[in-house]
Amino acid sequence: DAKTTQPPSMDCAEGRAANLPCNHSTISGNEYVYWYRQIHSQGPQYIIHGLKNNETNEMASLIITEDRKSSTLILPHATLRDTAVYYCIVRVGNAGGTSYGKLTFGQGTILTVHP
Amino acid sequence: EAQVTQNPRYLITVTGKKLTVTCSQNMNHEYMSWYRQDPGLGLRQIYYSMNVEVTDKGDVPEGYKVSRKEKRNFPLILESPSPNQTSLYFCASRPGRLGPTAYEQYFGPGTRLTVT
Repeated sequence: DAKTTQPPSMDCAEGRAANLPCNHSTISGNEYVYWYRQIHSQGPQYIIHGLKNNETNEMASLIITEDRKSSTLILPHATLRDTAVYYCIVRVGNAGGTSYGKLTFGQGTILTVHP
Repeated sequence: EAQVTQNPRYLITVTGKKLTVTCSQNMNHEYMSWYRQDPGLGLRQIYYSMNVEVTDKGDVPEGYKVSRKEKRNFPLILESPSPNQTSLYFCASRPGRLGPTAYEQYFGPGTRLTVT
């Protein structure tokens, strides 16, 4: 699976958009980009995933560059409750094998939303 | 409400005293797994189960046992806990179908275990 690189921390003002970058320059054609977040010591929460098109759901938007080497998770109107560690994960969506379904979380980005 | 529940949420125990952490999901998911989270090491998979009576080791299975007798339940058993099993434990579940949604997983709230 492709390695991902995220900034260790970011700040955002409440009500503003939070843009969290992720670099995955070694991503292959059948690998998806997934985003999770973990609010302090709670269980990780799935946010969104995408392959090559931009995606949007009720929580966030995911923008993937045309070459797929990087992506940005956008929280359009950040609130204090969005303060969390955000993880970008790249996985092959359709492979089998014993690692299928296993999530590997790196260090992520600590997003702090300020009043 | 779709959810994964874990009990207990907090547990302090002594070395060698057998314990079980329960995990239950109400989404009829085939796949369930256990992770532990330690500072600087991220989440590591302990065991997983593809369906009833089908379990397999993850990356760090030593010292743990699991069972899957019912689809909704996936207990984690520590037969003889040791201090190095002090950690934050998460149970997760997802539907069993193949495809990219395999990584849309639902996590429980966590169990903080301290072994003295």
